[in-house]
Amino acid sequence: SAVISQKPSRDICQRGTSLTIQCQVDSQVTMMFWYRQQPGQSLTLIATANQGSEATYESGFVIDKFPISRPNLTFSTLTVSNMSPEDSSIYLCSATDRGTRDAMNTEAFFGQGTRLTVV
Amino acid sequence: AQSVTQLDSQVPVFEEAPVELRCNYSSSVSVYLFWYVQYPNQGLQLLLKYLSGSTLVKGINGFEAEFNKSQTSFHLRKPSVHISDTAEYFCAVSKSGGYQKVTFGTGTKLQVIP
Repeated sequence: SAVISQKPSRDICQRGTSLTIQCQVDSQVTMMFWYRQQPGQSLTLIATANQGSEATYESGFVIDKFPISRPNLTFSTLTVSNMSPEDSSIYLCSATDRGTRDAMNTEAFFGQGTRLTVV
Repeated sequence: AQSVTQLDSQVPVFEEAPVELRCNYSSSVSVYLFWYVQYPNQGLQLLLKYLSGSTLVKGINGFEAEFNKSQTSFHLRKPSVHISDTAEYFCAVSKSGGYQKVTFGTGTKLQVIP
């Protein structure tokens, strides 16, 4: 299994500013993902964080707004840029465990999330 | 692409009563299916998953789910709920084969009434 830590756990930010969220995994993982959970909504995938290359964004999400870094197999950051109140959400980091060939990397582990409020 | 439908946004149930949370999925390829639970102000925790084999899957906290390929369903059940089961439950799907992104349903809020 993998334990995921996110920082900060919550923040209140002024509109127009940017916030960088950090995600640290306690073991090497092949895949890392960033999700957004808007108030009362389900989770929506923002992007897949690729180690050593540009992230793969889902429809409706762009790199200029949500730049992502993944310098190694245990760490990733998501930046929410030029924030507006509509960006108020919980942002969750997720990862699939490297595991063994037979164990299959079938379970997604999640961090506790970062609760962002933009005022 | 895969999609998940959770028809019930809220399910109230009395303590010690049985509960079923419904989930239907759509996919043109083989899938893995999951149920996650989110307690208030917390992250997601995996309840159970179906990968292959037996269609009845048992998870943590006394929950189980049954994969029904013909009905494309993966309903979650518990024979007797506790107050502590009050949470939001998400059904999710991914393509089979590992390392795949997960698509979530809209969630079902289970409210256990004392």
